[in-house]
Amino acid sequence: NAGVTQTPKFRVLKTGQSMTLLCAQDMNHEYMYWYRQDPGMGLRLIHYSVGEGTTAKGEVPDGYNVSRLKKQNFLLGLESAAPSQTSVYFCASEGAGANVLTFGAGSRLTVL
Amino acid sequence: AQSVTQLGSHVSVSEGALVLLRCNYSSSVPPYLFWYVQYPNQGLQLLLKYTSAATLVKGINGFEAEFKKSETSFHLTKPSAHMSDAAEYFCAVRLSGNTPLVFGKGTRLSVIA
Repeated sequence: NAGVTQTPKFRVLKTGQSMTLLCAQDMNHEYMYWYRQDPGMGLRLIHYSVGEGTTAKGEVPDGYNVSRLKKQNFLLGLESAAPSQTSVYFCASEGAGANVLTFGAGSRLTVL
Repeated sequence: AQSVTQLGSHVSVSEGALVLLRCNYSSSVPPYLFWYVQYPNQGLQLLLKYTSAATLVKGINGFEAEFKKSETSFHLTKPSAHMSDAAEYFCAVRLSGNTPLVFGKGTRLSVIA
């Protein structure tokens, strides 16, 4: 089925560990986004990409890095996880000019 | 800077009653406006969007929203609530087609039988 796939769906980390969240889309979309969702805070943009090889900072980029080496993949990295990064992370993709974001099912990350 | 404010973090209505979820935006130019819905343990999906065409926008599942420039509002309504409408609803704004969406904090809708 066409869509946005996030892996892993769940992960528990210890403070200071590193990890990478993978987002893959098979719709040939140009734009990809990483958001985090926290209770009472809505969705906040971490980083985004408007095309292969490009990335840009969003509202809350500190502590995260991203890469878009292939058009269909957008990776979100945590180099040294902190408890404040406990959250649900959502990836979304969008075709240029479409004005419709397609979201993945989310990745729940807990940092102890 | 663009932003949206959703009034009420939690709204509770009876089944069959009117649903009204409020959203006000802040933007220096007419923006694009959206409503997304999130069912439990799922990602968000688009309900409807305003992109400078008709000011009354109809979406899926019987929802609609009206863009009112004078009030800087984009409230979401549905005449008759169903139990299946229980979810979290997010209003979002963007200035142009290639800028990221900015989401509100969300409103959780509960429907009481």
